[in-house]
Amino acid sequence: GAVVSQHPSRVICKSGTSVKIECRSLDFQATTMFWYRQFPKQSLMLMATSNEGSKATYEQGVEKDKFLINHASLTLSTLTVTSAHPEDSSFYICSARGGTGDGIPQHFGDGTRLSIL
Amino acid sequence: AQSVTQPDIHITVSEGASLELRCNYSYGATPYLFWYVQSPGQGLQLLLKYFSGDTLVQGIKGFEAEFKRSQSSFNLRKPSVHWSDAAEYFCAVGRNTGGFKTIFGAGTRLFVKA
Repeated sequence: GAVVSQHPSRVICKSGTSVKIECRSLDFQATTMFWYRQFPKQSLMLMATSNEGSKATYEQGVEKDKFLINHASLTLSTLTVTSAHPEDSSFYICSARGGTGDGIPQHFGDGTRLSIL
Repeated sequence: AQSVTQPDIHITVSEGASLELRCNYSYGATPYLFWYVQSPGQGLQLLLKYFSGDTLVQGIKGFEAEFKRSQSSFNLRKPSVHWSDAAEYFCAVGRNTGGFKTIFGAGTRLFVKA
């Protein structure tokens, strides 16, 4: 089946640093990738949607300068949390779709646990 | 606006007992409906999906779900629960208006007791 690889699985860093999370589709071309944030015991909150080669579309309330998304190829998208602070600590999950048809489901990475000290 | 409601925050069932997780949706057109499962500290795995056709959908791990348009529901069922089924379950609706998006419910945590 379709596999989405997310790296790193866990990162701990100091406040003020920038953190990059990678999301790769291993066996299909991801025309669209999604980035979610999940707080403890809560559902997934969509942060942004990105199509290969275009700028990401951010959801309302998500700071685009804070969460930089790059989708440079059909198999790779990156999320960079710039100047991270403790309130950015969360579980970040990427997802990818291998086409634009309505019937194509999303496939999810295993998530990245980000902890800012 | 589209929305997904999972009325039960958590459910506890005995191993071997049957399971039903409830999901109601609000959507103006024929929805694309999904159930995902999430184990602690991991991403989401697709259990099953409904787009059209037979309203009873079979998924992986012995799960099934039934789409009932009249009730705007898409409940997930399993006849006999195993301890390994303990996880968080998310119902979701997909829509394709100006780009495909998936809207998730709040999730239901399943506990399985021996």
